[in-house]
Amino acid sequence: DAKTTQPTSMDCAEGRAANLPCNHSTISGNEYVYWYRQIHSQGPQYIIHGLKNNETNEMASLIITEDRKSSTLILPHATLRDTAVYYCIVRVSRTQGGSEKLVFGKGTKLTVNP
Amino acid sequence: DTGVSQDPRHKITKRGQNVTFRCDPISEHNRLYWYRQTLGQGPEFLTYFQNEAQLEKSRLLSDRFSAERPKGSFSTLEIQRTEQGDSAMYLCASSLGLADEQFFGPGTRLTVL
Repeated sequence: DAKTTQPTSMDCAEGRAANLPCNHSTISGNEYVYWYRQIHSQGPQYIIHGLKNNETNEMASLIITEDRKSSTLILPHATLRDTAVYYCIVRVSRTQGGSEKLVFGKGTKLTVNP
Repeated sequence: DTGVSQDPRHKITKRGQNVTFRCDPISEHNRLYWYRQTLGQGPEFLTYFQNEAQLEKSRLLSDRFSAERPKGSFSTLEIQRTEQGDSAMYLCASSLGLADEQFFGPGTRLTVL
């Protein structure tokens, strides 16, 4: 079962920041937070992952609270092409012997409006 | 295009028929995964290969399902005696070494009538 809780849906205006929350109150010390997204009729796409420090890449930023019980994925300037289902996943990194499989919940359906 | 490819993209079959799907991973990726996704749900793990060895199978993978990766490159997923409950999107993903990122293909949408 998924170890995360996400809102079912969110809306965002084009050009504004999209902030997608995720609760993972039972996260273990060696579990990372991963984010994937799935655009309609496509396979999931990796976005970013982190352990406890905030992370940023060309797609998004990941903010993890100090107690690691929740995190926020930030799309700084959302575009219409960012409309997708966003999945938050917690798992042990494979470099630390974690499972191969990804356990997806239902995710958050983000709609970016013009 | 050097991404993960899947064939066919769509398959409609009648209940009781056998179907086979193919996945071509990204070149040199030694790990290959199969997931299933039903409407409104996130993908569910079915099985994975490291090279040609099938190392993990989900309990979702009943005895009607079989997956192979004979030469450690492409993989096939066969469903025998299909049932209406098998209707879903079947996703394939691949990854390299100990990298955490899995690259997904576009999926094969199966409809069982």
